[in-house]
Amino acid sequence: SAVISQKPSRDICQRGTSLTIQCQVDSQVTMMFWYRQQPGQSLTLIATANQGSEATYESGFVIDKFPISRPNLTFSTLTVSNMSPEDSSIYLCSGRTTGLSTEAFFGQGTRLTVV
Amino acid sequence: SQQGEEDPQALSIQEGENATMNCSYKTSINNLQWYRQNSGRGLVHLILIRSNEREKHSGRLRVTLDTSKKSSSLLITASRAADTASYFCATDTSMNTGFQKLVFGTGTRLLVSP
Repeated sequence: SAVISQKPSRDICQRGTSLTIQCQVDSQVTMMFWYRQQPGQSLTLIATANQGSEATYESGFVIDKFPISRPNLTFSTLTVSNMSPEDSSIYLCSGRTTGLSTEAFFGQGTRLTVV
Repeated sequence: SQQGEEDPQALSIQEGENATMNCSYKTSINNLQWYRQNSGRGLVHLILIRSNEREKHSGRLRVTLDTSKKSSSLLITASRAADTASYFCATDTSMNTGFQKLVFGTGTRLLVSP
């Protein structure tokens, strides 16, 4: 399976600022996903990022708050904009190839604290 | 809302015992997958079972799937302290775009004591 390098691994940010999280895959993948995970909780899908098209956002998440880029098949970024303490969470990127029986592989996550 | 509900939420056992976790979901699926997560880090894929399969084995792992009941179980046999982690089921469903997405369950925190 592919390896995803995600950075930063953690950050402490001031409210009102923005943070961009990057994920680099060591091979081409069709689909990339961004998740949010509160400590001790499950993963919530933010959006699906596909190369050459706009990201598809899940209910409750909007592009103005979480803009996503996917310039090629090995790279994606998620920006958390105008942050508030409620945005403090772990953010995870994931990649998959197409097919009905494919596994997902994950970056190591970004632990974000907004103060 | 979360696609999968897992139980128990937490499980504490001794080394050598078996651990069973259950997952229920709500809609039709392409397949169901189980993942493991250590201490809030990235998830690692454990096993995938297709919607037309009923049981699958991989090493000390055994997964069952009952699509009529929309449920799955993960059994870890002869557990080890190193199995301590959170375990998540994830249902693979098709989106309108033609791609698939994984929706994760609530998770089970497993603690295996030496």
